[in-house]
Amino acid sequence: QKEVEQNSGPLSVPEGAIASLNCTYSDRGSQSFFWYRQYSGKSPELIMSIYSNGDKEDGRFTAQLNKASQYVSLLIRDSQPSDSATYLCAHNAGNMLTFGGGTRLMVKP
Amino acid sequence: DGGITQSPKYLFRKEGQNVTLSCEQNLNHDAMYWYRQDPGQGLRLIYYSQIVNDFQKGDIAEGYSVSREKKESFPLTVTSAQKNPTAFYLCASMAMLGNQPQHFGDGTRLSIL
Repeated sequence: QKEVEQNSGPLSVPEGAIASLNCTYSDRGSQSFFWYRQYSGKSPELIMSIYSNGDKEDGRFTAQLNKASQYVSLLIRDSQPSDSATYLCAHNAGNMLTFGGGTRLMVKP
Repeated sequence: DGGITQSPKYLFRKEGQNVTLSCEQNLNHDAMYWYRQDPGQGLRLIYYSQIVNDFQKGDIAEGYSVSREKKESFPLTVTSAQKNPTAFYLCASMAMLGNQPQHFGDGTRLSIL
């Protein structure tokens, strides 16, 4: 079973703090990994893609990939209340995406 | 503007009725997908298609049907056999170039009258 595991949360952080979201996966053949943000009642929006080991930064977001340990994480610096959403981790193996169940993030003012 | 258009945004179904959800994309993507999302839950794959005139069942295909007569269009029919259709339905598409993400439409919220 190709699975992606995420802690469902909620993860609660104060405004201005760093939010750390984690994801583990079981398919060692996965080559690409994605983070989606989903606001309540809305569709998922792609916010980060990462393909190789290490860190990838985009504004306040940093994605980290460790293929040997089979985990991928998303760091959100200077968290804002507008970052409150559910974050979905996904990986692409064989032209199919497998999604985790999502982690709900709450940023408190 | 390139994107994925789902319609209608809200849909109500009567008992015993089939309803069809529309999904159109102008991204020139080969692959299209339908997901169901229940409140507080993750995405569950209903059907997908990677080429015109061909489609595959996902994890929860029972009570649903699809067609893929054109590259741009992948409509989903929720049949009367689906006894619990109330959910948020999401259509996605993806380029078949390897290691690509999926892009989502805005979704259709289906409820039973």
